[in-house]
Amino acid sequence: GAVVSQHPSWVICKSGTSVKIECRSLDFQATTMFWYRQFPKQSLMLMATSNEGSKATYEQGVEKDKFLINHASLTLSTLTVTSAHPEDSSFYICSAGTSGKYNEQFFGPGTRLTVL
Amino acid sequence: QKEVEQDPGPLSVPEGAIVSLNCTYSNSAFQYFMWYRQYSRKGPELLMYTYSSGNKEDGRFTAQVDKSSKYISLFIRDSQPSDSATYLCAMSASKAAGNKLTFGGGTRVLVKP
Repeated sequence: GAVVSQHPSWVICKSGTSVKIECRSLDFQATTMFWYRQFPKQSLMLMATSNEGSKATYEQGVEKDKFLINHASLTLSTLTVTSAHPEDSSFYICSAGTSGKYNEQFFGPGTRLTVL
Repeated sequence: QKEVEQDPGPLSVPEGAIVSLNCTYSNSAFQYFMWYRQYSRKGPELLMYTYSSGNKEDGRFTAQVDKSSKYISLFIRDSQPSDSATYLCAMSASKAAGNKLTFGGGTRVLVKP
């Protein structure tokens, strides 16, 4: 299957700082990427849908000024958590959608963010 | 009521047993159905993908879709301890690459040696 990478795999930062997470599709072009958040023992919560070259579409209740998403190319999308606070600590996962026969989404390995 | 319901488990089975997982949904527009496996602290891995009603088999995995009952299932034969993970069902109404998936809450499975 298609491979999606995320960097970093984990990050610890101080409250008030900003953190950037990268999501890359390694062997295919992804016109659409999705960003999810997952709390322990809970399912995935979609935060936003990112299309290459255009503004991201955010889900209701997700602060777009806090979670900045940039999809600069067909293989790279970034999520920046601005002015992070302890309540932003979570597991962030991206997925990339293909434009093949089906609309499979392939997920990255996730990034664990801890805000002190 | 959630659009997709999935029993959270945990579901504990002995090694070699059949694992039976299911999801129910309320949106009749869903036509594409997926099962993902997620190990702890890892991203979900796509296991099975089915379109509309019917069965699909891939190795030890069988996915079933009954659109009339709005019910999908995943069976794992000859279960192994390495199958211990959380299984998520997901579905969508469109196969367009930008279409969102709606996930179930996930079922935690534990296969005991």
